[in-house]
Amino acid sequence: EVQLVESGGVVVQPGGSLRLSCAASGFTFDDYTMHWVRQAPGKGLEWVSLISWDGGSTYYADSVKGRFTISRDNSKNSLYLQMNSLRTEDTALYYCAKDEDYGSLDYWGQGTLVTVSS
Amino acid sequence: QSALTQPPSASGSPGQSVTISCTGTSSDVGGYNYVSWYQQHPGKAPKLMIYEVSKRPSGVPDRFSGSKSGNTASLTVSGLQAEDEADYYCSSYAGSSVVFGGGTKLTVL
Repeated sequence: EVQLVESGGVVVQPGGSLRLSCAASGFTFDDYTMHWVRQAPGKGLEWVSLISWDGGSTYYADSVKGRFTISRDNSKNSLYLQMNSLRTEDTALYYCAKDEDYGSLDYWGQGTLVTVSS
Repeated sequence: QSALTQPPSASGSPGQSVTISCTGTSSDVGGYNYVSWYQQHPGKAPKLMIYEVSKRPSGVPDRFSGSKSGNTASLTVSGLQAEDEADYYCSSYAGSSVVFGGGTKLTVL
């Protein structure tokens, strides 16, 4: 059974930093591109970032480019999102998701909540 | 990276059909056959319902179907059931990024 479990969400002050983790199991992790997608409270889904199977390619939404860094450790079946210079508008539930094929996200975690507030 | 355009709401009675549209550009929806649709119930993670415009993952009822014409994709739910009431999001591959629609709240009357 495929499982994605996010962790690391907390309350952080504007300008602060945070690292989110996603532990994957039930599939061959290093065969797949992985994504982070976020959802602000009461709002829609917003794509954040993706990383290729080997970590060699990474892409970001304009809203987080230069502030967030996606990475993965295939030896630990884990995905990460380093979030720096956090803003109040980054407050959201952050999901990690497995990419079956060109952005078709077939498995999602339950999300971890990041709140940016003073 | 502009969001795809979806109607904010849609509705239908049990047994009826409803279609939700998703409009993008030639850089996303119109440029690739990689449109997906997700269903999200309150407090739950999104669930993939349609991928590659019209394919259904295993376990998704055939009441759900997808199509595309030009820069607009559509999700049709036939034979509406109470459990279909949820938020629906479209997304498209956009060449090294993914873009989502704003979401449509489907109400079963």
